Amino acid sequence: RKEVEQDPGPFNVPEGATVAFNCTYSNSASQSFFWYRQDCRKEPKLLMSVYSSGNEDGRFTAQLNRASQYISLLIRDSKLSDSATYLCVVNNAGNMLTFGGGTRLMVKP
Amino acid sequence: IAGITQAPTSQILAAGRRMTLRCTQDMRHNAMYWYRQDLGLGLRLIHYSNTAGTTGKGEVPDGYSVSRANTDDFPLTLASAVPSQTSVYFCASSPSLGANVLTFGAGSRLTVL
Repeated sequence: RKEVEQDPGPFNVPEGATVAFNCTYSNSASQSFFWYRQDCRKEPKLLMSVYSSGNEDGRFTAQLNRASQYISLLIRDSKLSDSATYLCVVNNAGNMLTFGGGTRLMVKP
Repeated sequence: IAGITQAPTSQILAAGRRMTLRCTQDMRHNAMYWYRQDLGLGLRLIHYSNTAGTTGKGEVPDGYSVSRANTDDFPLTLASAVPSQTSVYFCASSPSLGANVLTFGAGSRLTVL
């Protein structure tokens, strides 16, 4: 079983839609959680951290459920520019980041 | 502009050849990393370095070697390339090992025939 699992998608949504991705992780000792964004043929970049109480950054909301060991990312009012691959990232007790395989989002006009 | 520079951007290589991917950062970060990214498998750590003069093995180190002679440079060498090493390689850095935010280079796309 992979340490960090994501549905690869693609998720095809119209502009203005709300879309949510989930990610599950296997190591219950994981300490920190993040979402990175990767545009086609580009490098990954940090989108946002995920805090235990949940956190919001504009149209993006991230939530953590430690009991069920999953992380979610909600995008409201999707824009064409949101089209990208979203990587779930977990910092385990060994202090290294483990990346999920990514979920591809395509926002259509 | 501060960041990470990788070279080459892309390369086609015959199996059995030696290849070095270069990575240079100008942020004075202590930790540097090499990842490979393959479809469906995500980013997997090959090697890392905590500081100049020290290196460590990641999840998939076989067939690769690294060196860290100074803070800025972290080259990745394939001693004898094989087709399974066809991938996109990303170099990354962070202020310290285990830091939560990595800065990535633009990637090197390697094809081994």
